[in-house]
Parts: sequence; structure tokens; C-alpha cells
Amino acid sequence: AQKVTQAQTEISVVEKEDVTLDCVYETRDTTYYLFWYKQPPSGELVFLIRRNSFDEQNEISGRYSWNFQKSTSSFNFTITASQVVDSAVYFCALSEARKILTGGGNKLTFGTGTQLKVEL
Amino acid sequence: GAGVSQSPSNKVTEKGKDVELRCDPISGHTALYWYRQSLGQGLEFLIYFQGNSAPDKSGLPSDRFSAERTGGSVSTLTIQRTQQEDSAVYLCAVKETTNYGYTFGSGTRLTVV
Repeated sequence: AQKVTQAQTEISVVEKEDVTLDCVYETRDTTYYLFWYKQPPSGELVFLIRRNSFDEQNEISGRYSWNFQKSTSSFNFTITASQVVDSAVYFCALSEARKILTGGGNKLTFGTGTQLKVEL
Repeated sequence: GAGVSQSPSNKVTEKGKDVELRCDPISGHTALYWYRQSLGQGLEFLIYFQGNSAPDKSGLPSDRFSAERTGGSVSTLTIQRTQQEDSAVYLCAVKETTNYGYTFGSGTRLTVV
């Protein structure tokens, strides 16, 4: 069975601080995808990134960066120089890749989310 | 998201009543999912539709919950004899073929009083 753990329930930082959101996953599949989603107060889920299990290269997108370490089953998310607009709940999720690649769909297993509050 | 429209955005119903929640993907997607998000919780998978295949109903919490997808597009989630524990945000999602991500609708906030 797949499982995603986000141990940090809530994090508060002051604007311009760097913050890392942790994500640890469990799966018996050798092929899988990992995701991060942002859920601002408006409630809509915003896709941030997808990473497949064969690609351990870290990724940077503006102030966002992701560190995927297969050896520790972790896929951590760092926001550099945080801003008030980053305040949201962030979800890490896991899905089998095989069905996705063959055109099928498979359910996402979500963590319970980390509430990030960025204050002035 | 822009690719998925859900209605109503909010629904208040009395305990014991039936409700229907609608999901309308704006563009064609073969895979469609329903999730539930209870207050302060993560997202819980309910059901998914894939083309003409039989839906995966493994996440439905009870037989009071059912869903259908007509014509490979619009989907309706029905909850019969609603209970207070059904209060949650119900989210619909479609799988994108471009980046293999999932696009979520804005959800329906259901409150059972």
C-alpha cells in the first residue's frame, strides 16, 4: 500500500526566510510519480511539480526547489525568500507511474498537508 | 482549475436528504477522479473513471455514495441519506496528458446540518 507522510502540520515563518516542507513516502512500486500541490485559502489545488522515480535530479523553479532522495524515500520542497503569498496548505502526493504512462489513470495518495503561514 | 468546473460551489443540506454534486471537465479527458477533503485533512480518494472501463469505486466510504459519468464527460457524485460526517469539500480532478499532472476543480463544499 502507498503512504505519504507530511510530519509538519503547520509552519510559521517571517517573510524572506527560507522554509523546507518535508515529505516521506512509502511504496512497493519501482515506478512511481511524486507530486506537490498548493492549496491557497481560496481552496483550489494548484499543481506545482511532478517527478518520476527514475529522475533524482533536483529541480529549481524560481524560488521553489525540490530535493528527491530515493535512498531516504523523501521528496522535500524548499521555498527560498518566502513571501506572504506563499501562505497556503501544501500537499505531497504519490501515484503509480505505469498506468499513467500507458494512458490510464491512477489515484493519487495524498499526505495530510502542511499549513505554511508567512508573516510580515 | 480552468479545466474542471464543479457545481454547486456550496451546498447546505439537511441530514437524511440526498445530494448531487456535478463535475464538468471543460475539455475532453479520459480519466476523471473524485476526492473528498474533510476539515483539516488530506484528500481521500473516492472513485475514478477511465474511458469505457468499469470505474474504480474502491474509495467510496459506503453504499450511500455513488457516481456516474455520462458520455465520457460530465460526472455526478450522489450521496443518499446524508449524514453529518459527509460534510466536506468534494473535489473533482482530471488527468492531463501533457505533464501527467492532475487538474482539480474548485470543489463543492457540502455541509450537512
